[in-house]
Amino acid sequence: QQQVKQSPQSLIVQKGGIPIINCAYENTAFDYFPWYQQFPGKGPALLIAIRPDVSEKKEGRFTISFNKSAKQFSLHIMDSQPGDSATYFCAASPNTGNQFYFGTGTSLTVIP
Amino acid sequence: KAGVTQTPRYLIKTRGQQVTLSCSPISGHRSVSWYQQTPGQGLQFLFEYFSETQRNKGNFPGRFSGRQFSNSRSEMNVSTLELGDSALYLCASSVTWGQLFFGEGSRLTVL
Repeated sequence: QQQVKQSPQSLIVQKGGIPIINCAYENTAFDYFPWYQQFPGKGPALLIAIRPDVSEKKEGRFTISFNKSAKQFSLHIMDSQPGDSATYFCAASPNTGNQFYFGTGTSLTVIP
Repeated sequence: KAGVTQTPRYLIKTRGQQVTLSCSPISGHRSVSWYQQTPGQGLQFLFEYFSETQRNKGNFPGRFSGRQFSNSRSEMNVSTLELGDSALYLCASSVTWGQLFFGEGSRLTVL
């Protein structure tokens, strides 16, 4: 049973486009929502994270939008670049240690 | 500062064997977590250790076990390997809670 559902599975955009990746959860005990970026042969690396008391967070070209009532959150990548081509994972965790529930990942390809 | 180091990076085992994977966390990090990554399933949480104590455990069979040493280094063991155990096993360290720093993983192939 996947506690965090992620879509789409794959995404192809042109350079400069704005890919959007969506995640949904059911467990209202979740209170920390990070996004991780993973390149081939590497471990995931934290990109940006949000807590449910905030509806939006921006860090550089990356923005998280959070809808607490709908139990959904999404990642937007502004002015996407070929170097952003990677797999992106959303995740969620209750405040009880480092047990994170990950989505199944989105493979993003940015075409030059 | 050195990152999270996992050894071995690649290994091949046969069904029924056992395997031990090692993880050295970032210096000063007391929490070590283990995840199994397979295509289509994403990352599945195995367990977390904090100051040598298991703090959380995921929904995996008892064949999967782990431990943490006083220097925060951690090992995980899988006994009686099955074909379905083939995966990338990722270790992540954290100061206490929150941001995970992942290693590059140990890729296990079970034949």
